[in-house]
Amino acid sequence: GAVVSQHPSRVICKSGTSVKIECRSLDFQATTMFWYRQFPKKSLMLMATSNEGSKATYEQGVEKDKFLINHASLTLSTLTVTSAHPEDSSFYICSARESRPDTQYFGPGTRLTVL
Amino acid sequence: AQSVSQHNHHVILSEAASLELGCNYSYGGTVNLFWYVQYPGQHLQLLLKYFSGDPLVKGIKGFEAEFIKSKFSFNLRKPSVQWSDTAEYFCAVRITGGGNKLTFGTGTQLKVEL
Repeated sequence: GAVVSQHPSRVICKSGTSVKIECRSLDFQATTMFWYRQFPKKSLMLMATSNEGSKATYEQGVEKDKFLINHASLTLSTLTVTSAHPEDSSFYICSARESRPDTQYFGPGTRLTVL
Repeated sequence: AQSVSQHNHHVILSEAASLELGCNYSYGGTVNLFWYVQYPGQHLQLLLKYFSGDPLVKGIKGFEAEFIKSKFSFNLRKPSVQWSDTAEYFCAVRITGGGNKLTFGTGTQLKVEL
């Protein structure tokens, strides 16, 4: 199947700093990518839908000014957690949608720890 | 809004036992249904999906799922599990025409003992 990578896999930062997470589709072009957050022993919660060349669509309750999403190319979407706080510590997962076949492929996730 | 329920949070089976994991969704319209698996330390992988047609869907690694529209269910089955099936299993629903967004269930942690 298609491969989606995320970088970094783990990041530790101080409270108040910003962190950027990259999501790349390695062998296909993805007009749509998704960002999820996974809490311990909980399901994946969709944060936003990232569309290439346009603004991201955020789910209800997700602060767009805090979680900045940029989908600058068909193979790259970035999530920037701005002014991170300890409550932002979580596992962030991206997925990329391949239109044919109609399938979402998931990245390995990024573990963010905010001290 | 649609929701997905996975009633079994933790399942422990012996090797060669049969598996059935429940998945129910709440949405009255047309849906696409998915089962994903997350092996320890790995990313989510697609096991199988249902879009239309035969409600009995066969996936990878011997898994299958049956879509029962009247029950809003999409249960995952495997006749004989292996130790390597130990993983977390997620059911997901996508509303057709809903922007390709997936709504996930809370997951079922399966442990297969030797």
